[in-house]
Amino acid sequence: KNEVEQSPQNLTAQEGEFITINCSYSVGISALHWLQQHPGGGIVSLFMLSSGKKKHGRLIATINIQEKHSSLHITASHPRDSAVYICAAFLLTQGGSEKLVFGKGTKLTVNP
Amino acid sequence: DSGVTQTPKHLITATGQRVTLRCSPRSGDLSVYWYQQSLDQGLQFLIQYYNGEERAKGNILERFSAQQFPDLHSELNLSSLELGDSALYFCASSVNSPGEQYFGPGTRLTVT
Repeated sequence: KNEVEQSPQNLTAQEGEFITINCSYSVGISALHWLQQHPGGGIVSLFMLSSGKKKHGRLIATINIQEKHSSLHITASHPRDSAVYICAAFLLTQGGSEKLVFGKGTKLTVNP
Repeated sequence: DSGVTQTPKHLITATGQRVTLRCSPRSGDLSVYWYQQSLDQGLQFLIQYYNGEERAKGNILERFSAQQFPDLHSELNLSSLELGDSALYFCASSVNSPGEQYFGPGTRLTVT
């Protein structure tokens, strides 16, 4: 079992819909990244958070450390939001450092 | 533009060969991370350097090695290449560890 699980794997929405992507992790983490990967392959960091909630434009990310769960929400979705969204957790290692472990990604398609 | 540069963008080489991928982090970023993204494995963490020293190791094969130079640029060396090494290789940088990571555009390696 992957240490970081994302759901759903694929998501199709109509323009304007509210979208939620979920991420669960099984071990202790120091922080969590939400990343966006466009069809061209480039990766953009959307959020890094270790507690609570962050908002940037139409994007909102939340994390619940006790429940080991994070969500990424997109309000008023638009076709340009179509991309793969990847959750990545900074897992604490025995050596005292962190390694980034990725979920398998959620492919979002927003239709006009 | 994340400020992280990677060269080359594309690389086609034959099995058994050796290649070097280069990464220049954002100005001021001390940490450099290398990731491999293949179709069947998704994104995987390979190795992290912080201010010239190896900080964390992931799923990096023995045939692969990396280093970070005094000017903070990093190189990933891949040797005895196999068909399965064909993938996108991303470099990312951050100021701190853990810290929000900024990804380069990637190097697409094709081994024939």
